[in-house]
Parts: sequence; structure tokens; C-alpha cells
Amino acid sequence: DTGVSQDPRHKITKRGQNVTFRCDPISEHNRLYWYRQTLGQGPEFLTYFQNEAQLEKSRLLSDRFSAERPKGSFSTLEIQRTEQGDSAMYLCASSAQAVSWSEQYFGPGTRLTVT
Amino acid sequence: DQQVKQNSPSLSVQEGRISILNCDYTNSMFDYFLWYKKYPAEGPTFLISISSIKDKNEDGRFTVFLNKSAKHLSLHIVPSQPGDSAVYFCAASAYNFNKFYFGSGTKLNVKP
Repeated sequence: DTGVSQDPRHKITKRGQNVTFRCDPISEHNRLYWYRQTLGQGPEFLTYFQNEAQLEKSRLLSDRFSAERPKGSFSTLEIQRTEQGDSAMYLCASSAQAVSWSEQYFGPGTRLTVT
Repeated sequence: DQQVKQNSPSLSVQEGRISILNCDYTNSMFDYFLWYKKYPAEGPTFLISISSIKDKNEDGRFTVFLNKSAKHLSLHIVPSQPGDSAVYFCAASAYNFNKFYFGSGTKLNVKP
């Protein structure tokens, strides 16, 4: 399977704990996006990388959130001091200019529950 | 600020008939519009897109129409099949594709 993978698929944590999610994009996809989706809503853009450079960040990405893509391949999204409002599905997507920047391929998501 | 809106949370259609899903946007800077389909426990899957220089794009049973003056787009599925039952998201972006804005989705149920 050469699609976008995310790990873990589910995470339950207590308020105040730190969590880290991983996304492995499709090989050779230059762009990688992170989204957050809550119940009844569409994905909300958080941030995106072109190769290893983080080029755009949403206002939704507070100081407690940090994302990295150190070698331009996989990416991590860390949430520090989690709050109940962070409970959501975190989606990762990747795209490549060779196909079209517009055609994003999404992973299955990481569902975070903060208790 | 919801820049892309899907005002119908759900739609039920009989198999073989046409499904029409609607989407409105507020930002005239959007250049590109996309539709995604999402099944439970999976990420969204790209379905079809349209550039702002066009008013129609067709791919098999799926056609997207864009009305720029009304800031409105629609997805037509003809004929609808039970396998089309899913949540459909409309999305929009500028041409740099740095950021995508999604609607809240419409859950389509195609009845056999």
C-alpha cells in the first residue's frame, strides 16, 4: 500500500499531557498538509510543508501545536498540554506537482480524545 | 469565518436518479474548486475539480458546475448508485494551493 499513512489511528490522553502524531506521505510527494476535523465539520487547514519548509500556518495552530518535516519525508504534529477542545480527527494529506498540487491524497486520520 | 458553505447536511436520492450537491463560497480570490468523497473510517478521496476559468467539468457520472457570479458550485451525479453513499465535501483554494478551505459536508444516501 503506497497511500498516506498515519500513526497512531487512535489516541486517548489525559488533559495536560503531550501527544505526537506521525504522517508518512506518498513517496516523492513534495507537499504535506495537516488538517483538523471535528464532528459535523469539514477538515480545517492547520499547516503545510513544501519539502522540509513549513510555508503556511493557520491561526488555529496555537503555541501548543508544532509540526515538523525534518527531511522532507514524514511529518510529526505535536500538541503540548492537551485540552479537551483538542479532541478531533487529525488528518494528513500530501500532493505532488507532477500530478497536480490541487489533488491531495489523505491519510485515514488520527482520532484524538482528551479526557 | 466559514468561507465555503454546504447548507444541506444530508440528501437522500433513489438509485438511478440524479444527485445534486450544492456549495457556496464567499471569497472571490478562490481560483480552484474541488469535491471530495469520504467513507466512514477513511480519509477524504479526491473526486473532481474545476478551475475558475471554466464553468463545467465532467468525469464519467460526475459533473461539477461553477457559477462565479453567484459564487456557487454544484456536483451532479448521474445516475446515482448505492456505492455513492458517502459524505461529500466541497473545497476551495487559490492557485498557489497553499491552503484549502472545506465546507462542512453533505451526507448522500442513495437508496436501492
